[in-house]
Amino acid sequence: SQQGEEDPQALSIQEGENATMNCSYKTSINNLQWYRQNSGRGLVHLILIRSNEREKHSGRLRVTLDTSKKSSSLLITASRAADTASYFCATVPGTASKLTFGTGTRLQVTL
Amino acid sequence: DAGVIQSPRHEVTEMGQEVTLRCKPISGHNSLFWYRQTMMRGLELLIYFNNNVPIDDSGMPEDRFSAKMPNASFSTLKIQPSEPRDSAVYFCAIGTGLNYGYTFGSGTRLTVV
Repeated sequence: SQQGEEDPQALSIQEGENATMNCSYKTSINNLQWYRQNSGRGLVHLILIRSNEREKHSGRLRVTLDTSKKSSSLLITASRAADTASYFCATVPGTASKLTFGTGTRLQVTL
Repeated sequence: DAGVIQSPRHEVTEMGQEVTLRCKPISGHNSLFWYRQTMMRGLELLIYFNNNVPIDDSGMPEDRFSAKMPNASFSTLKIQPSEPRDSAVYFCAIGTGLNYGYTFGSGTRLTVV
């Protein structure tokens, strides 16, 4: 079963616009991670935010975490066609090593 | 994907046949994970190993599934006998600690007809 639910399920934007994806999860976490998956490929780790952090940046990515609401958001600024992919949030619950994935958001960036 | 090599990339087999999926992680990890991805169920964790020891196999769907990790550089996931509902993409991933991201292989697309 999935720990996280992502919203929206699909998002279509034009190049240059910002894309925001949201993730909600159910149990307490050690950290939350975001991954990208291009069609037919494996998942690529983008960014990790610890439970005691509220915001983190990496290049054009900005991640926020609200543990009181059990939610996170991923913002991609100035999107490019190459950002077209599925994006997944994943959580590490407590001290367990295993990573549990959400349902994913399919992002389409058009020229 | 360079940190984890999975083989084969594609596998088509008939129902009832044994299927073995392989994973070769590059060194430097201490955990190895097998995931299954389908449209209906998304990404499911099947089993994971810490230092080559199976820790949690609660995600393994049935006794038809088994996984081994004889050493740090090799793991297999076996399905015997295979069924059409096992059709999915199977991913192997490695981790180096609780606060680090995982590295995924490119996956094996399994089709059971």
